[in-house]
Amino acid sequence: EAGVAQSPRYKIIEKRQSVAFWCNPISGHATLYWYQQILGQGPKLLIQFQNNGVVDDSQLPKDRFSAERLKGVDSTLKIQPAKLEDSAVYLCASSLGRGPYEQYFGPGTRLTVT
Amino acid sequence: LAKTTQPISMDSYEGQEVNITCSHNNIATNDYITWYQQFPSQGPRFIIQGYKTKVTNEVASLFIPADRKSSTLSLPRVSLSDTAVYYCLVGDMQNNNDMRFGAGTRLTVKP
Repeated sequence: EAGVAQSPRYKIIEKRQSVAFWCNPISGHATLYWYQQILGQGPKLLIQFQNNGVVDDSQLPKDRFSAERLKGVDSTLKIQPAKLEDSAVYLCASSLGRGPYEQYFGPGTRLTVT
Repeated sequence: LAKTTQPISMDSYEGQEVNITCSHNNIATNDYITWYQQFPSQGPRFIIQGYKTKVTNEVASLFIPADRKSSTLSLPRVSLSDTAVYYCLVGDMQNNNDMRFGAGTRLTVKP
């Protein structure tokens, strides 16, 4: 079974530039999550999708971050414009559904903002 | 939103049993307890999940007392490859959207 795919694996941009991350969840997984993990901290949930609808984006900085999950499969997370404090690993995860289901994580995208 | 508290770090030696305790004093009736493991440069990986009493799988055991205000992840006979960060999460059984990762416990296994 293929795991959660993410791209790119690494990205370096200057502040005020924009960047986009892509995630392809495990086939059949209805729930998709985007996390931000700053070095030395645990993952912070940014947004959760159930199919193509948002169920939780309470911790998403909506002035600069946006995410979409068209057709309930792939998802894209965008940052525009980026700030230095956005330097982090962005993790995508998926699960069969909401509730007590195991989350499967991708390898993450390491973003460096200079 | 149930908050969890774990030790920041723990050291152990190869072959020992390691017990990591997580405190979740305000756990709700519908909350279940999940543990994840994270190696450097990788995403977290599910270890075990439970609601009450004891759960065991091929990797670990999870002990949950009757009041459910804490839980203990037990790793039998650890090896160097068990060096990782371990996260305890508490979340609603109906959905996942109030599960939050804390800082986790950094376990270092020494030879």
